[in-house]
Amino acid sequence: EDQVTQSPEALRLQEGESSSLNCSYTVSGLRGLFWYRQDPGKGPEFLFTLYSAGEEKEKERLKATLTKKESFLHITAPKPEDSATYLCAVHPNNDYKLSFGAGTTVTVRA
Amino acid sequence: KAGVTQTPRYLIKTRGQQVTLSCSPISGHRSVSWYQQTPGQGLQFLFEYFSETQRNKGNFPGRFSGRQFSNSRSEMNVSTLELGDSALYLCASRGWAVQETQYFGPGTRLLVL
Repeated sequence: EDQVTQSPEALRLQEGESSSLNCSYTVSGLRGLFWYRQDPGKGPEFLFTLYSAGEEKEKERLKATLTKKESFLHITAPKPEDSATYLCAVHPNNDYKLSFGAGTTVTVRA
Repeated sequence: KAGVTQTPRYLIKTRGQQVTLSCSPISGHRSVSWYQQTPGQGLQFLFEYFSETQRNKGNFPGRFSGRQFSNSRSEMNVSTLELGDSALYLCASRGWAVQETQYFGPGTRLLVL
């Protein structure tokens, strides 16, 4: 069965203090790995898709990387508006659905 | 391009009642997936429809059902509501290719009393 584990569960950062979130996965063939951001009471907002090991994608202060067993979401010099829950999801080769991790809740203090 | 829309945004029901939620996908998208999100279980897959056919189903009881119309709009129905069905129900749409990104709607918050 596909498994997605995100760590840490919660992360409190000072504004400007860079950090990384981890998403480790077990899947029988990876079609794609997705990162989403979710604000309280709202639907997940798409950030990145990664398809193969070694791939990297960047958007503003966020950078996502992928290896054969895990993905990292790096937040560089975060601002309070980066506070949210970040969700990782895997799409296996033999299925249509996404399997989500429990998420990492990031709080950035000014 | 307009995003995924879901109606209603909020619902309060009592145990034993049934509820129907609606989802309109992004224009041109043929795949609609439904997820249940709760604090304890996180995001869990309910089912996916593609061109009016259910393509995949998660591990939920038969009280949870869905359908998709020819215009790709989808509805989800929950019968005989239980307290544990209180959750945020999310709809996501995707284009033709299975590896394409799923885009989520704002969700419907269901409270069962």
